[in-house]
Amino acid sequence: DGGITQSPKYLFRKEGQNVTLSCEQNLNHDAMYWYRQDPGQGLRLIYYSQIVNDFQKGDIAEGYSVSREKKESFPLTVTSAQKNPTAFYLCATTATGRGAAHTDTQYFGPGTRLTVL
Amino acid sequence: AQSVTQPDIHITVSEGASLELRCNYSYGATPYLFWYVQSPGQGLQLLLKYFSGDTLVQGIKGFEAEFKRSQSSFNLRKPSVHWSDAAEYFCAVGAPNFNKFYFGSGTKLNVKP
Repeated sequence: DGGITQSPKYLFRKEGQNVTLSCEQNLNHDAMYWYRQDPGQGLRLIYYSQIVNDFQKGDIAEGYSVSREKKESFPLTVTSAQKNPTAFYLCATTATGRGAAHTDTQYFGPGTRLTVL
Repeated sequence: AQSVTQPDIHITVSEGASLELRCNYSYGATPYLFWYVQSPGQGLQLLLKYFSGDTLVQGIKGFEAEFKRSQSSFNLRKPSVHWSDAAEYFCAVGAPNFNKFYFGSGTKLNVKP
């Protein structure tokens, strides 16, 4: 069954803790993205990666970190430096990456809801 | 700078009525355009996309959208709304050759029985 999986679906964090959100895909897509969604604000880009071992900051990268050691995995760590991490986090992929002739279509995982206690 | 505007935060329509959701974008060239739908607590599902060619595009679930270059718009339409269409709808712009995407803030659709 092909697709994008995110785990866990719900995550609770205490103040001062780092937490890692998982994103895995078996679509063989090159590019992967992390977005944060808050009510009334749409989607804001945190980080994206167009090839393995390379990633770029998005619009709201402060307090977050990522890695891209494998093509199929792009985990997001929410660090204690992120002051307001409660949000819905979405992972997405596109088939094409850097150097592609055109932008492809973006596909989304089911999301992880992070709540700070 | 690239931006996407969805001027309607909430829209309520009666079941069986027609629907039009507005989307305007700001971009230096012709972008790639998308509409997504999101049910509560779920990811985004692609409804339709425009890359080039015919400016009227058909999507899933009976939706269509029309690209109007002169108005920088890509409005989503459906001739007869069903109760299951109640959700939040997002318009997005893709930047060609940069593989980045910009999203509007969304329009929540309520459907009255």
